Amino acid sequence: EVQLLESGGGLVQPGGSLRLSCAASGFTFSSYEMNWVRQAPGKGLEWVSYITGSPTSVRYADSVKGRFTISRDNAKNSLYLQMNSLRAEDTGVYFCVRTSITLSWLPFDLWGQGTLVTVSS
Amino acid sequence: SYVLTQPPSVSVAPGQTATITCGGNNIANKSVHWYQQKPGQAPVLVIYDDNDRPSGIPERFSGSNSGNTATLTTIRVEAGDEADYYCQVWESSSDQPVFGGGTKLTVL
Repeated sequence: EVQLLESGGGLVQPGGSLRLSCAASGFTFSSYEMNWVRQAPGKGLEWVSYITGSPTSVRYADSVKGRFTISRDNAKNSLYLQMNSLRAEDTGVYFCVRTSITLSWLPFDLWGQGTLVTVSS
Repeated sequence: SYVLTQPPSVSVAPGQTATITCGGNNIANKSVHWYQQKPGQAPVLVIYDDNDRPSGIPERFSGSNSGNTATLTTIRVEAGDEADYYCQVWESSSDQPVFGGGTKLTVL
């Protein structure tokens, strides 16, 4: 089955760190650009970061630049997000998301179920 | 940065047609994707590249894009279509994706 499964969310104090993981299965993981997209409680979707398949290139939203690091291990079919210096506004559900390589203009064609990150003292 | 504007909510009776708009400066020059998110679930791609449907998405869903407005249209709306809908484009100047604020579709 083609799927993405996130883990690693939880409660963390402001200023703390957390590492999210995403396990991919059912497709050739290394061929795909991958993303993290988050959603604050009751709010809309916000793109956080992406990494190319190689991985030769990464990019971050301004809101997390310098604090978050995206990485991947193609041998383990896994995507990661290291989150440091966490703030209350980082609270939300974090989705692992695949960028299509077959659909035109590269939409997000596969989403995980998400993992909840809560930043609070 | 590029801003996408969606109405917060749209209501429609079952069997009628729902129209959700996504406004952006010269959005017709971009490719627009639409996602459906039901409560407690992950988003699902329903329209890509303005008006193409991924495999498994009903023909009742369609899209258009002209001028400063992209539109998601759902005909013969069903109770199961009740969800939040998000438009998304790729902003070339910053080389990153941008989402609209989302529209809650309520089936009366």
